[in-house]
Amino acid sequence: KQEVTQIPAALSVPEGENLVLNCSFTDSAIYNLQWFRQDPGKGLTSLLLIQSSQREQTSGRLNASLDKSSGRSTLYIAASQPGDSATYLCAVRGGAGTASKLTFGTGTRLQVTL
Amino acid sequence: SAVISQKPSRDICQRGTSLTIQCQVDSQVTMMFWYRQQPGQSLTLIATANQGSEATYESGFVIDKFPISRPNLTFSTLTVSNMSPEDSSIYLCSVVGQGTGANVLTFGAGSRLTVL
Repeated sequence: KQEVTQIPAALSVPEGENLVLNCSFTDSAIYNLQWFRQDPGKGLTSLLLIQSSQREQTSGRLNASLDKSSGRSTLYIAASQPGDSATYLCAVRGGAGTASKLTFGTGTRLQVTL
Repeated sequence: SAVISQKPSRDICQRGTSLTIQCQVDSQVTMMFWYRQQPGQSLTLIATANQGSEATYESGFVIDKFPISRPNLTFSTLTVSNMSPEDSSIYLCSVVGQGTGANVLTFGAGSRLTVL
């Protein structure tokens, strides 16, 4: 059974700092990995998706890397802003096809202070 | 990517009652997924809503408690039946993208239920 862990559970940084969020998974046979952002009491917004054959994806100040063999992914946020404050979730998909399930991590709650 | 509308966005319900959550997608999708997020927890898949057939439920979830309808390729409902305070959660529907958004899971804004 796939298990996804995110460390740290919570993180507080001053504005402007670069930071890294970590995601690890127990079964390396994944199809893809997706990073989401969730604002308090809201739904999820997809940030980046990395296919199993890819090493990284970038979108603006965000960069996600994937090391499938070691079961790890990182989300790098450059020059953090207070608007980045949210919970960040990673999720892995076990196989191709729309029926394959996503397993979510427990999330990292990020607070960017002024 | 698909745009998903969920309603209600939030509700406060009495113990023993039932509530139906609606999920509308702006494009036709093969599968729709219903997730639950209990307070302080991550997301757990409840079931996959299949058009034209019964939903597929995950371990720990049953049709009597969470009946699902999927009358067409753009709409689904999830009912939370005979609610108890333990059912207080955010319920989210999601779909997998098509075309250029394939494999990307898109979520609705969620329905926050509080059961008293």
